[in-house]
Amino acid sequence: DTEVTQTPKHLVMGMTNKKSLKCEQHMGHRAMYWYKQKAKKPPELMFVYSYEKLSINESVPSRFSPECPNSSLLNLHLHALQPEDSALYLCASSPLPGTSGLLFAKYFGPGTRLTVL
Amino acid sequence: AQKVTQAQTEISVVEKEDVTLDCVYETRDTTYYLFWYKQPPSGELVFLIRRNSFDEQNEISGRYSWNFQKSTSSFNFTITASQVVDSAVYFCALSDLDSNYQLIWGAGTKLIIKP
Repeated sequence: DTEVTQTPKHLVMGMTNKKSLKCEQHMGHRAMYWYKQKAKKPPELMFVYSYEKLSINESVPSRFSPECPNSSLLNLHLHALQPEDSALYLCASSPLPGTSGLLFAKYFGPGTRLTVL
Repeated sequence: AQKVTQAQTEISVVEKEDVTLDCVYETRDTTYYLFWYKQPPSGELVFLIRRNSFDEQNEISGRYSWNFQKSTSSFNFTITASQVVDSAVYFCALSDLDSNYQLIWGAGTKLIIKP
């Protein structure tokens, strides 16, 4: 099973709402990622978790709050978002690197398309 | 600074034609990694290949092939006998020490295969 699942597929929220995006994988991967992708642009890395600990935070505003409750689950909590945060949010996972030390997102979920009104 | 250039914004070909997507990269490091990903209209990114800088052998996987040339800093991707299902945006990416081994993405090439 090489699947990363994400829920919901679509989300519309107001600027005062609190919502969460959920990501799940059962491949035993200990690295999980959140990416943000605007239309017609490449993905932008937001957060990386390895062994359920936050290892990379790409200067993301605090209105985005990630959480990794266990090795299979990754959440992204959203609060007081702005219209410019509307985008496709992609979750990904990968095995931890071997001797190369290279950590990269290998398996992606289908994404959550977020619209902030 | 590192950079990945995909000069072709959009390519349109008729099914069964061969098509090559260009990727040119810049890096100061001698150890680096190159990647290709496919993003079909459904939105899910699909990892296609990773190649390290010490392995210049070309790679073939079915109808897909990759030509890595360090002399021209290019890592081009060819689809042979294209099919409608190949229609997608294709991203080339680079990872090196300067980027702390995070992915530096090209802008992507939108490939349209017409029946």
